Amino acid sequence: QVQLVESGGGVVQPGRSLRLSCAASGFTFSSYALHWVRQAPGKGLEWVAVISYDEINKYYADSVRGRFTISRDNSKNTLYLQMSSLRAEDSAVYYCARDSSIAVAGTFDPWGQGTLVTVSS
Amino acid sequence: QSALTQPASVSGSPGQSITISCTGTSSDVGGYNYVSWYQQRPGKAPKLMIYDVGSRPSGVSNRFSGSKSGNTASLTISGLQAEDEADYYCSSYTSSSTLYVFGTGTKVTVL
Repeated sequence: QVQLVESGGGVVQPGRSLRLSCAASGFTFSSYALHWVRQAPGKGLEWVAVISYDEINKYYADSVRGRFTISRDNSKNTLYLQMSSLRAEDSAVYYCARDSSIAVAGTFDPWGQGTLVTVSS
Repeated sequence: QSALTQPASVSGSPGQSITISCTGTSSDVGGYNYVSWYQQRPGKAPKLMIYDVGSRPSGVSNRFSGSKSGNTASLTISGLQAEDEADYYCSSYTSSSTLYVFGTGTKVTVL
């Protein structure tokens, strides 16, 4: 079955960096755009970044542009999120999600189980 | 880009129908037919319930339906069941620099 599994979360000090990974299985990874979406504790969902199936196009939310970098390795069926200059407000559960629409319309399906990032000194 | 506006909570009795609204602008909900809805149970990842305004993925109950009028999208749950108790979020593609925006979320309670 289609599955996404995130890893790499943890506790990190403000200003430091962290890399999240999302391992995919059960579908042709190289055919789909992929997203990162985050959810701060007790809060709503916030879109973070998207990468096209061929890694050519990458887009970011205003809140992370210039600090976060999305990438993928289609040979390893893995999506990444490199986070730098982390702030307390970046603390959240980070989900990866496949965009199941041809138009990359933001049809997030499925989602991984999430990985928790806590930015704290 | 501000979040789309949803009511904080909606409740109903088993068997009733409820509707959750999602209000945006002509730059997002009103400008594109790329509105989707997600169900999130406590401690779980969101699950796609409706996409492209009114399309339902395979496996999602036909008790869930979506529609749009102007800048407001709606999710209707008919024949409300205890298992429908969860948080629901809308999302939309947007012409702003942040390409996708979520709603503020609605907690559905089955009385």
